[in-house]
Amino acid sequence: AQTVTQSQPEMSVQEAETVTLSCTYDTSENNYYLFWYKQPPSRQMILVIRQEAYKQQNATENRFSVNFQKAAKSFSLKISDSQLGDTAMYFCAFSPFYTDKLIFGTGTRLQVFP
Amino acid sequence: GAGVSQSPRYKVTKRGQDVTLRCDPISSHATLYWYQQALGQGPEFLTYFNYEAQPDKSGLPSDRFSAERPEGSISTLTIQRTEQRDSAMYRCASSQGQGSYEQYFGPGTRLTVT
Repeated sequence: AQTVTQSQPEMSVQEAETVTLSCTYDTSENNYYLFWYKQPPSRQMILVIRQEAYKQQNATENRFSVNFQKAAKSFSLKISDSQLGDTAMYFCAFSPFYTDKLIFGTGTRLQVFP
Repeated sequence: GAGVSQSPRYKVTKRGQDVTLRCDPISSHATLYWYQQALGQGPEFLTYFNYEAQPDKSGLPSDRFSAERPEGSISTLTIQRTEQRDSAMYRCASSQGQGSYEQYFGPGTRLTVT
């Protein structure tokens, strides 16, 4: 079975600091996609960043970057210069190449303090 | 439309009643997904459509759940004989097509079965 594990239920960080959220996944597939979604208090689901497994280069999107370790099946999200608006639930998600469904982890609640 | 819309936003129903949830995807999007998100959990895949075809409904929890997209645009998710365990947020998402396209999520329908 394909699973996504987020081992940190809650994290906190001070404004302007850097925080890293962990995600591991289990799959026998070689081709797949990985995502981080943000769910703010409004409960919208917003794509933060995505990574194609065949790309060795880690994806970056402004203050957000990932550390993708394919052999270790690890996909962590680093948020630099944290802002109050980053306060949200963050979900890691996996999608096998041959299917469109997203498999989500249980989420990490991030609180950014002033 | 400008984004994915869902209606109703909130639905309270009594156990045993049928409910129908509606999703209106982004107008140019071929693919539409349904997810169920229990409180404190990540979304779980239910089913998806590629235009009006429904290639995968493996996530539907029981035969009380059904979905359709007869004209390849608006979709409905129907739950028959609702049970308390059906209480959850039901999210719809759409994307340009199958593959690695970003899934855009709607605001969700919060279903409470009493």
